[in-house]
Amino acid sequence: KAGVTQTPRYLIKTRGQQVTLSCSPISGHRSVSWYQQTPGQGLQFLFEYFSETQRNKGNFPGRFSGRQFSNSRSEMNVSTLELGDSALYLCASSLSSGRTDTQYFGPGTRLTVL
Amino acid sequence: KNQVEQSPQSLIILEGKNCTLQCNYTVSPFSNLRWYKQDTGRGPVSLTIMTFSENTKSNGRYTATLDADTKQSSLHITASQLSDSASYICVVSAIGDSNYQLIWGAGTKLIIKP
Repeated sequence: KAGVTQTPRYLIKTRGQQVTLSCSPISGHRSVSWYQQTPGQGLQFLFEYFSETQRNKGNFPGRFSGRQFSNSRSEMNVSTLELGDSALYLCASSLSSGRTDTQYFGPGTRLTVL
Repeated sequence: KNQVEQSPQSLIILEGKNCTLQCNYTVSPFSNLRWYKQDTGRGPVSLTIMTFSENTKSNGRYTATLDADTKQSSLHITASQLSDSASYICVVSAIGDSNYQLIWGAGTKLIIKP
């Protein structure tokens, strides 16, 4: 079974631009979560989608948004990029939105904002 | 405030030696505790997930313990190998009114030297 895939793997943008990241979960998984990871920091939770609905949301500004499609694929959008948005963005999928479900992570998208 | 603290921040040991990583949490109400291994530049991989009633759980050379009374967990690695070099992250799940929250520790960076 294929794992979680994220595209693109690397991205370079300039301040003020916007970016869209994509995540394809493991087949059959309906929950997709997004995280931001910066050097020396723990993973910061962005949001979780389940069956096309946002179930959970972290403490990030409105510039960060996401959506999930009927095939469970998810996209994350960041508008008006800032230097501090440079990070590894990780996507994780799980079977459902349960508290004990194991999350399977993708390789991440490395975003650099210049 | 829900928090997860890990120690040490980093650790260097020789190949073949054992080591123990610590995780203290102040999370309420507690649902479960997870340990992840994250290789540099990759997404985290689940090692164990423990609920309130579980004291010990093993996954090969990895053994996690949980003391729900003192709100402490440890991850013991036996007979370390070079491939164990990674960051190890403790994650605690809290139960909300209508959803759950994952609180991520900052991780312990483990380096195994030959």
